[in-house]
Amino acid sequence: EADIYQTPRYLVIGTGKKITLECSQTMGHDKMYWYQQDPGMELHLIHYSYGVNSTEKGDLSSESTVSRIRTEHFPLTLESARPSHTSQYLCASSEYCGRVDCEQYFGPGTRLTVT
Amino acid sequence: AQSVTQLDSHVSVSEGTPVLLRCNYSSSYSPSLFWYVQHPNKGLQLLLKYTSAATLVKGINGFEAEFKKSETSFHLTKPSAHMSDAAEYFCVVSDPGTDKLIFGTGTRLQVFP
Repeated sequence: EADIYQTPRYLVIGTGKKITLECSQTMGHDKMYWYQQDPGMELHLIHYSYGVNSTEKGDLSSESTVSRIRTEHFPLTLESARPSHTSQYLCASSEYCGRVDCEQYFGPGTRLTVT
Repeated sequence: AQSVTQLDSHVSVSEGTPVLLRCNYSSSYSPSLFWYVQHPNKGLQLLLKYTSAATLVKGINGFEAEFKKSETSFHLTKPSAHMSDAAEYFCVVSDPGTDKLIFGTGTRLQVFP
């Protein structure tokens, strides 16, 4: 069982509110990721981090922002939520790898609904 | 550019019958390939991975996949389906040098009693 946690698991919030989705891992992994997944669709990478103070935008444009002040923590923030942000957000982590065969460990996800 | 194509969006089987979930990949390099499973309201779990060692890869829960370079395929199989196998399955290729994972669109497996 992977030690990666996300809170909250479910969130329903009104338009315009600021929200922060939490992600923590206890495996000491350097790399962390945020994916967005709409129902029945594939995952799209929206942010990733190589380590502390490193953040990069992923392949899918997102209005969210991330920070990486501590190795184990990688929160995602939406300054002003909109209905178009309704989706499932999955956090993952992996060891730093020179090759590309790193397994990513996924959290259970946060299902966000913006009304 | 790396990509994966999952050929079936839905697969339905009876319990006890074989499972075949198809995946084709496109890669300019020798790829690393993965199969992940996602049960309802759960995170993704790695089933198995191919990293240029043995072409037949065994994973958890009786699943296995065979890497066929000539066919650019990495199909997932299981000899006998169980009700607990009902889930969404994602074929994934990694992007060399960036460690990014590129996901297929997923195959929903239904298992009937």
